[in-house]
Amino acid sequence: DVKVTQSSRYLVKRTGEKVFLECVQDMDHENMFWYRQDPGLGLRLIYFSYDVKMKEKGDIPEGYSVSREKKERFSLILESASTNQTSMYLCASRSRRLNEKLFFGSGTQLSVL
Amino acid sequence: RKEVEQDPGPFNVPEGATVAFNCTYSNSASQSFFWYRQDCRKEPKLLMSVYSSGNEDGRFTAQLNRASQYISLLIRDSKLSDSATYLCSNTGGFKTIFGAGTRLFVKA
Repeated sequence: DVKVTQSSRYLVKRTGEKVFLECVQDMDHENMFWYRQDPGLGLRLIYFSYDVKMKEKGDIPEGYSVSREKKERFSLILESASTNQTSMYLCASRSRRLNEKLFFGSGTQLSVL
Repeated sequence: RKEVEQDPGPFNVPEGATVAFNCTYSNSASQSFFWYRQDCRKEPKLLMSVYSSGNEDGRFTAQLNRASQYISLLIRDSKLSDSATYLCSNTGGFKTIFGAGTRLFVKA
C-alpha cells in the first residue's frame, strides 16, 4: 500500500529554534511537495522537488528551506521558527507521469510559542 | 488574483439534495485537474480526476471547461457522509496548487 510518512503528528517549538520536518515516501516517486494549511487559506505550496537534489520555490518559501538528498526523503527546514509559522504542514508525493494524483502524509501540526 | 479560486461556502444541504461546486483557475497552461476530499483533521484524499470529456463516478460528476478556465463537481443524492471540505487542484509543469476548499455540510 502507498505510504507517505511524516515524522511527527504534533510538534511544539520555541521562537528562534531550528525545526526539521521530515517526510518519507515508499513509492519511488520523483516529485515531492511541502504545503502548509491554515483556516480560510487552504493549502499553500512552500517548496517542491521534481527529483533528487532538485528544488523549486512554491508560493510562500520565505522563512523555509528544503533538502532532498535521497529520492524517498524530503525535509522542510525552518531556520528560525516564528509564531506565524504555526500551522499544519502537509507533505505529498507524486509520480512524474502526466495526470498523476498526489499522495499525502497525515500532516504535522506545528505550534511555535 | 489567486491562481485557483473556490467559493469557501459553507454549503448546508439536506440529505438527498444535489449540490455543485465550481473552481476557477488562472494558469491556462495547466495540464491536469483533480478534486480532493478532506475530512476534519485528516489529509486530503483524491476524490476524482477531471477531464474535458467529463468524469462520472457513482453520484459524483466532474467537468473541465478549458475555454472558461473552470472545473466543477456535482454531487447527486447527498449523503451525511459527504460532509467534508472539497479541494480543487491543478498542475502546470511540476507544480500542483490548490484552491482554499469548499466546506459542505449535509444534514438529516
